[in-house]
Amino acid sequence: AQSVTQLDSQVPVFEEAPVELRCNYSSSVSVYLFWYVQYPNQGLQLLLKYLSGSTLVKGINGFEAEFNKSQTSFHLRKPSVHISDTAEYFCAVDTPNTGNQFYFGTGTSLTVIP
Amino acid sequence: EAGVTQFPSHSVIEKGQTVTLRCDPISGHDNLYWYRRVMGKEIKFLLHFVKESKQDESGMPNNRFLAERTGGTYSTLKVQPAELEDSGVYFCASSQVHGQPQHFGDGTRLSIL
Repeated sequence: AQSVTQLDSQVPVFEEAPVELRCNYSSSVSVYLFWYVQYPNQGLQLLLKYLSGSTLVKGINGFEAEFNKSQTSFHLRKPSVHISDTAEYFCAVDTPNTGNQFYFGTGTSLTVIP
Repeated sequence: EAGVTQFPSHSVIEKGQTVTLRCDPISGHDNLYWYRRVMGKEIKFLLHFVKESKQDESGMPNNRFLAERTGGTYSTLKVQPAELEDSGVYFCASSQVHGQPQHFGDGTRLSIL
């Protein structure tokens, strides 16, 4: 079975500073990769996705992520965070050829400090 | 378009009672998924419907959980009888094509006392 690791459970960062949220996955087979964000009292919203093609993908709200196949990573980055980015972020992996489900990490709680 | 809607948003029941959660997927989405997040842990897959058929129910914890999707539209997830360890947030998601991004609802927070 697939496993997804988000090593940082909580990440505090000052406003306008850069941030990187790490995600590693275990599968060596073909994968689709996603980052979702959950704002307080809301559902999961898709930030960005990697299905194929360019390994650098850009999402909403200025976020981007880079797929690194050799390191089985899909880290999320933003060069300058805003207070409104405070939320929980989930990395998810889909192995479309071998199953039906998304595998999620445990989530990273990002807190932007004014 | 309307998103995935879940009802209720919160449910507090006592151990041994029955609870039914409902999910309305995005119109036209044949694929419907249920997930659960127990506090502090990862979001875990429960099952996947394609239209009214259960494609994969390997994540269902035990036979106290019953999911249905009659007519291939909305789905229900019933827990009977509820146990303390069933507490958590239950998410529903839908997609038009399997493998494409799943659209999630706001979740139902279930608390078993």
